[in-house]
Amino acid sequence: AQSVTQLGSHVSVSEGALVLLRCNYSSSVPPYLFWYVQYPNQGLQLLLKYTSAATLVKGINGFEAEFKKSETSFHLTKPSAHMSDAAEYFCAVTDSGNTPLVFGKGTRLSVIA
Amino acid sequence: DTAVSQTPKYLVTQMGNDKSIKCEQNLGHDTMYWYKQDSKKFLKIMFSYNNKELIINETVPNRFSPKSPDKAHLNLHINSLELGDSAVYFCASSLRQGGPYEQYFGPGTRLTVT
Repeated sequence: AQSVTQLGSHVSVSEGALVLLRCNYSSSVPPYLFWYVQYPNQGLQLLLKYTSAATLVKGINGFEAEFKKSETSFHLTKPSAHMSDAAEYFCAVTDSGNTPLVFGKGTRLSVIA
Repeated sequence: DTAVSQTPKYLVTQMGNDKSIKCEQNLGHDTMYWYKQDSKKFLKIMFSYNNKELIINETVPNRFSPKSPDKAHLNLHINSLELGDSAVYFCASSLRQGGPYEQYFGPGTRLTVT
């Protein structure tokens, strides 16, 4: 069965600092990996996805993530945090079959002025 | 134009009542989903429909019954509501099922059972 572990339920960074949100996955087959963002009282919005093309994936709002098979990781980064980045971030995994999308427990990002 | 819409946005009701949540997508997608997000933000899939056919039915009480009248709509009916049903329910859709197809989420319906 597939699973996702997001290390750190809450991450706090200063405005302008590097954002690093960690995601490790477990999958017996090549995975498809996603990062979604949820702003308060809203639905989830796709930030980026890995679909076995380039291992470094660029997404919206300056975010990017690198797929590392050897580490079974798909960490999300942004060079410089902005106040508007404060939100809940979810990593998710699925495969090419009918397997449902499995979400991690989420990481709440706070940005301090 | 809203891609995935849900009604109502808020639903407050008493235990034992029956309620429905409606979902519509105007993206022309084949696959639609219902998710439940609990108070700790944990997101879990409940159902998945592909071209009006039930594909995924996770361990959900029989009191929950999805209905897909057509490819663009997936409604959720809940019978005999319980306190534990209080959560935010999200509808989502994707072009096809599984694999690399990203899911588009609705704004959510916050259900409060008193």
